[in-house]
Amino acid sequence: GQNIDQPTEMTATEGAIVQINCTYQTSGFNGLFWYQQHAGEAPTFLSYNVLDGLEEKGRFSSFLSRSKGYSYLLLKELQMKDSASYLCAVMDQAGTALIFGKGTTLSVSS
Amino acid sequence: EAQVTQNPRYLITVTGKKLTVTCSQNMNHEYMSWYRQDPGLGLRQIYYSMNVEVTDKGDVPEGYKVSRKEKRNFPLILESPSPNQTSLYFCASSPSVGSGYTFGSGTRLTVV
Repeated sequence: GQNIDQPTEMTATEGAIVQINCTYQTSGFNGLFWYQQHAGEAPTFLSYNVLDGLEEKGRFSSFLSRSKGYSYLLLKELQMKDSASYLCAVMDQAGTALIFGKGTTLSVSS
Repeated sequence: EAQVTQNPRYLITVTGKKLTVTCSQNMNHEYMSWYRQDPGLGLRQIYYSMNVEVTDKGDVPEGYKVSRKEKRNFPLILESPSPNQTSLYFCASSPSVGSGYTFGSGTRLTVV
């Protein structure tokens, strides 16, 4: 079966650091993606991990441990515009489907 | 500008009236897919296409049809819409199987 778990909601303040965790149990694995989605808008690509370790891209970093079925997205120097839903997604073995978690809604306050 | 274009953005229709949601990409991507997004359920794949004339079912294909006659277009057809198909629909494309997706802006469909 396919199961991707992430917290439903998180809150943080401007300037802070927040870590959004994602655990997955899927029948195959061909990479893990993080997307950002503002309410009513399209998801936009943030990061991609296929090997274990940390990928850093500006204020955003993503980590993957394949043996633990675990990833996190780290957001630094939070800004109000980072208030959004963050979607963890696993590419299936065949590469034909991104399987999404239900998303984590992050609220950033001043 | 590289993009995935969906039309319409909003649609209200009645039960049983056939409708088509269009999707077009200008990036020469081989792979295209349709998802629906519902509160508490996340994004679920409806259909996908790996190339022209090659389509297959995703997780929730019932009540939907697709076609891929040209590389750039991947319309989603609801032959007889029902209220449980009220949802936010996204078309996505990627350059190849296994690559990350570029999403369209979404179509909010209400079936009454």
